[in-house]
Amino acid sequence: GAVVSQHPSWVICKSGTSVKIECRSLDFQATTMFWYRQFPKQSLMLMATSNEGSKATYEQGVEKDKFLINHASLTLSTLTVTSAHPEDSSFYICSARDSFGDLAGTYNEQFFGPGTRLTVL
Amino acid sequence: AQSVTQLDSHVSVSEGTPVLLRCNYSSSYSPSLFWYVQHPNKGLQLLLKYTSAATLVKGINGFEAEFKKSETSFHLTKPSAHMSDAAEYFCVVSRLPNYGGATNKLIFGTGTLLAVQP
Repeated sequence: GAVVSQHPSWVICKSGTSVKIECRSLDFQATTMFWYRQFPKQSLMLMATSNEGSKATYEQGVEKDKFLINHASLTLSTLTVTSAHPEDSSFYICSARDSFGDLAGTYNEQFFGPGTRLTVL
Repeated sequence: AQSVTQLDSHVSVSEGTPVLLRCNYSSSYSPSLFWYVQHPNKGLQLLLKYTSAATLVKGINGFEAEFKKSETSFHLTKPSAHMSDAAEYFCVVSRLPNYGGATNKLIFGTGTLLAVQP
């Protein structure tokens, strides 16, 4: 299957600083990318959906000014956690899919990155 | 609205014995259903998916699942567990891709941690 990478794999930062996480599709065009967060021993919760070249759509309860998402190219999306606080510590996972063909009734699989462990001190 | 319930947070089996991971779903629409596996420090991997075709779905690594609409279930099974099957498994629901403009959001269950004893 297709490969999605994330960078960095883990990051530790001080409270109040901003952290940028990159998500790349390595061998396909990701017209849609998703960002999830996963707390320990809990499930993945969708934070936002972004389509290349347009603004991200955030899920209810997710602060768009705190979690800035940029999807400027078909292979790269970034999530910036601004003014991070300890409660933002979590495992952030991105996924990517090629949305071409959706309207024809086909379903293109989401491919997941390995995740980024964020720890805010 | 859509949701999935994974009935067991932990399942422990012996190597070579059958695996059963239970999942029930709720959906106002015809659902697509998936099972994903998450190994430590690796991305989620799709095991299998149901999208309105055959109700018995075969996936990778010997796993299969059966869609039972009358029971709203999509349980994951494998005849013989292997040590490498130890991981977290997620049951996931989404809408069928028959709606123009739908983003096909995935709704994850809370996960089942499978332990395989030697």
